[in-house]
Amino acid sequence: EAGVTQFPSHSVIEKGQTVTLRCDPISGHDNLYWYRRVMGKEIKFLLHFVKESKQDESGMPNNRFLAERTGGTYSTLKVQPAELEDSGVYFCASSQENLGGKLFFGSGTQLSVL
Amino acid sequence: DQQVKQNSPSLSVQEGRISILNCDYTNSMFDYFLWYKKYPAEGPTFLISISSIKDKNEDGRFTVFLNKSAKHLSLHIVPSQPGDSAVYFCAASASGTYKYIFGTGTRLKVLA
Repeated sequence: EAGVTQFPSHSVIEKGQTVTLRCDPISGHDNLYWYRRVMGKEIKFLLHFVKESKQDESGMPNNRFLAERTGGTYSTLKVQPAELEDSGVYFCASSQENLGGKLFFGSGTQLSVL
Repeated sequence: DQQVKQNSPSLSVQEGRISILNCDYTNSMFDYFLWYKKYPAEGPTFLISISSIKDKNEDGRFTVFLNKSAKHLSLHIVPSQPGDSAVYFCAASASGTYKYIFGTGTRLKVLA
C-alpha cells in the first residue's frame, strides 16, 4: 500500500513568489491534514479536510495560504505571496476514522523563502 | 499558547537502559494521546497511543503512562536501542475534533 506522498520535497523561492505544495493521501482515507514545523518548534496544525470539505482551518496563518482538496483525493496548499516567515517543513497527513485516528504522515516539503 | 509541552529538548541514554520522555498538557478536554517518532528527512510515524479511560498502554518495548490529574504523560522505552535515536513528539486531541495538537519534540540519543 502506498503511503502519503508529498511533492516537491524541497522548494526554494524568493519572497513575493508563489509556491504550491501537493499531497496525495493514502487511498481511501477521508481525513487529510496539513501541518507545519518551523525549526525546533512544534508541529503546528494548519487545517483538516474531511473528503473535499474543510472541517477546521483554524490554524491557517492568514489569507496568503489557500488549501484545496478537489474531489476528495489529493490536496494542494498554495502560498501567495510567500513571506520569509513561511519557511519551514510542511507535512501532510491522512487518516481513516476506523484506525483510531492514527495519522499517517508524508515526508514533508521543506520550504525556504529567501 | 502551547497546549502540549515537551520541556526536555533532548535526552541521552545508554543502550539497554530505560528512556523516559515526558509530556504535559493544559487542555482538560484532551482525551486521546499519541506518541510519534521522527527520523531526519522523514515524516513522523505513529508509535503508540492511549485513551483517557486508561492509565497505561504497552506495546513491546514501549509503554505510555497517563496521569490525568497531573495532565502528564510519559513514554518509556525499555530497553533502549541505538535505532530508537530520533525525535519523539507527543500529540493530543479532544473527542470529536480530529484535531491533533503536537508538542515541540524531544530528541533522544541512545548511545551504543
